[in-house]
Amino acid sequence: GESVGLHLPTLSVQEGDNSIINCAYSNSASDYFIWYKQESGKGPQFIIDIRSNMDKRQGQRVTVLLNKTVKHLSLQIAATQPGDSAVYFCAEIGPTASKLTFGTGTRLQVTL
Amino acid sequence: GAGVSQSPSNKVTEKGKDVELRCDPISGHTALYWYRQSLGQGLEFLIYFQGNSAPDKSGLPSDRFSAERTGGSVSTLTIQRTQQEDSAVYLCASSLIGPNTDTQYFGPGTRLTVL
Repeated sequence: GESVGLHLPTLSVQEGDNSIINCAYSNSASDYFIWYKQESGKGPQFIIDIRSNMDKRQGQRVTVLLNKTVKHLSLQIAATQPGDSAVYFCAEIGPTASKLTFGTGTRLQVTL
Repeated sequence: GAGVSQSPSNKVTEKGKDVELRCDPISGHTALYWYRQSLGQGLEFLIYFQGNSAPDKSGLPSDRFSAERTGGSVSTLTIQRTQQEDSAVYLCASSLIGPNTDTQYFGPGTRLTVL
């Protein structure tokens, strides 16, 4: 079946370094992709999204890259801070679908 | 403005009892979603409401689960005859129009524990 998955379940980075969280998706019809951040005990928080007509989108300290050829999505966090420690989920949806499909998540640990 | 709110934040119940979980979406959002998140897992879609259309119930795991949305705003998720495997965090989200067009914003969730 169609799925969205993550390569690394846990990523540990030092404060100040850049983080890269990867996500693979299998549904080539997906055209809308979202990254969420979830801190312990809280609901997912929207970070950034991208549509399939783009291959890069930047926000504040975050960049999402989309490679449709290999169905790969990544989230880059610049100058990672302790407050970035959380679980990050990618999600995808196609133009006719009614639900987001979420990956299982990557835990980002920021060390001092 | 206010975000999505959910109540209660925590619910402990005994096996076999019924529970009701409430979701207040962001004002003006026509789409509302329920998800379930088991410990250490991703989000599992349960149900989706869009305006006055019939809801997409394709994610409900059994007929013990039901949901309604009154007046196009507040939604309640009901679980009848709860089982231990129902223990999870139940998350509600809303979006302005629909899942393909705009972002879903999540509430803090209700943590359900079935003893």
